[in-house]
Amino acid sequence: DTAVSQTPKYLVTQMGNDKSIKCEQNLGHDTMYWYKQDSKKFLKIMFSYNNKELIINETVPNRFSPKSPDKAHLNLHINSLELGDSAVYFCASSRTVAAADTQYFGPGTRLTVL
Amino acid sequence: GENVEQHPSTLSVQEGDSAVIKCTYSDSASNYFPWYKQELGKGPQLIIDIRSNVGEKKDQRIAVTLNKTAKHFSLHITETQPEDSAVYFCAASVYGGSQGNLIFGKGTKLSVKP
Repeated sequence: DTAVSQTPKYLVTQMGNDKSIKCEQNLGHDTMYWYKQDSKKFLKIMFSYNNKELIINETVPNRFSPKSPDKAHLNLHINSLELGDSAVYFCASSRTVAAADTQYFGPGTRLTVL
Repeated sequence: GENVEQHPSTLSVQEGDSAVIKCTYSDSASNYFPWYKQELGKGPQLIIDIRSNVGEKKDQRIAVTLNKTAKHFSLHITETQPEDSAVYFCAASVYGGSQGNLIFGKGTKLSVKP
């Protein structure tokens, strides 16, 4: 069974479009995250949610809007896609919000904006 | 805020040799240091972590050392095998912090040649 799953795995789209990435975890964790990994492999946190509430929102353009319908899901909606949004997006989850709780990552969604 | 520097960016070793990856951090309040391994096409996976109340931790062929005075920590892999080939990330955070915000280094691509 996949612990943290993301759909789709690949997403190719035109500039200006709106797209969503879905994430689900079946670990019973309270906290979920979105990370962006750029072409140089640099991993940077974008958002984190604890019990469906936003707790971290790094300096991410407001074209990115996370939504957590329940503790097991954290979706990422992106409006007006730009070339610079091309990256691999990882969802992750941890048992609690404490830094020392292991973060389990999903397989990633490779977004390509043309 | 915290800044984590990681070196080298690429590392190539012969099978059976040891590999060492080094990281430095800037925030003296950081006291939790995990290491993640990312295989091609997959999400990062925790392989070992250390907290500031210990100077060294070992798990089979993997060990991590921490020097709080110098603010640096290292990953040591002994008897490397081809399956150790991956990108390795160090990270730093404040253990027990309320936000679970890991700051990652830029990664080291390790290649183990048979």
